[in-house]
Amino acid sequence: DAKTTQPNSMESNEEEPVHLPCNHSTISGTDYIHWYRQLPSQGPEYVIHGLTSNVNNRMASLAIAEDRKSSTLILHRATLRDAAVYYCILRDDNQGGKLIFGQGTELSVKP
Amino acid sequence: DSGVTQTPKHLITATGQRVTLRCSPRSGDLSVYWYQQSLDQGLQFLIQYYNGEERAKGNILERFSAQQFPDLHSELNLSSLELGDSALYFCASSLGQGDFNERQFFGPGTRLTVL
Repeated sequence: DAKTTQPNSMESNEEEPVHLPCNHSTISGTDYIHWYRQLPSQGPEYVIHGLTSNVNNRMASLAIAEDRKSSTLILHRATLRDAAVYYCILRDDNQGGKLIFGQGTELSVKP
Repeated sequence: DSGVTQTPKHLITATGQRVTLRCSPRSGDLSVYWYQQSLDQGLQFLIQYYNGEERAKGNILERFSAQQFPDLHSELNLSSLELGDSALYFCASSLGQGDFNERQFFGPGTRLTVL
């Protein structure tokens, strides 16, 4: 399984943008990049996913490097509710649906 | 609210006992997944069922078993419980077989404490 590397923790100020990096140097051509987050005392929650092009949705943006060896999850204006552990996960069709969670990045947001 | 329900929310039991955790997927979803989250191992995939059939298996112990019923709800059975089985158990569901383009919706979890 292709692996991802994320910083253990990051801090942000409320209402400022946050860029959460993820390295996946062994990514294969068919791996999709998924991001999930887990708020305190809750189950994980889907955030966004992409293959090659940058993606936007109402929650966040995903910027994927041209060589696909890294990606960045962008929260445009962090709120206190965005404090969570963010997981970057590679998915391919050989995994049969399972999500392989790493340690993730614990994001704290200061008012 | 993800639409995935899990019961019970909390479960406290003793070593050697057997428990059953229940999950109801979102309406229309055919796949159910079980994950275990413990402090030392993090979030780990246990097993996936798609439309009643086992689809993928992770590091699930032999003491653990699961099934998906015709109405698509799923149960995770944990037997001969040990202290180390204390963890949060999450159920997730997805629309199809769980291909790489599919998102999963997680329930609120069942917290199991083995004393």
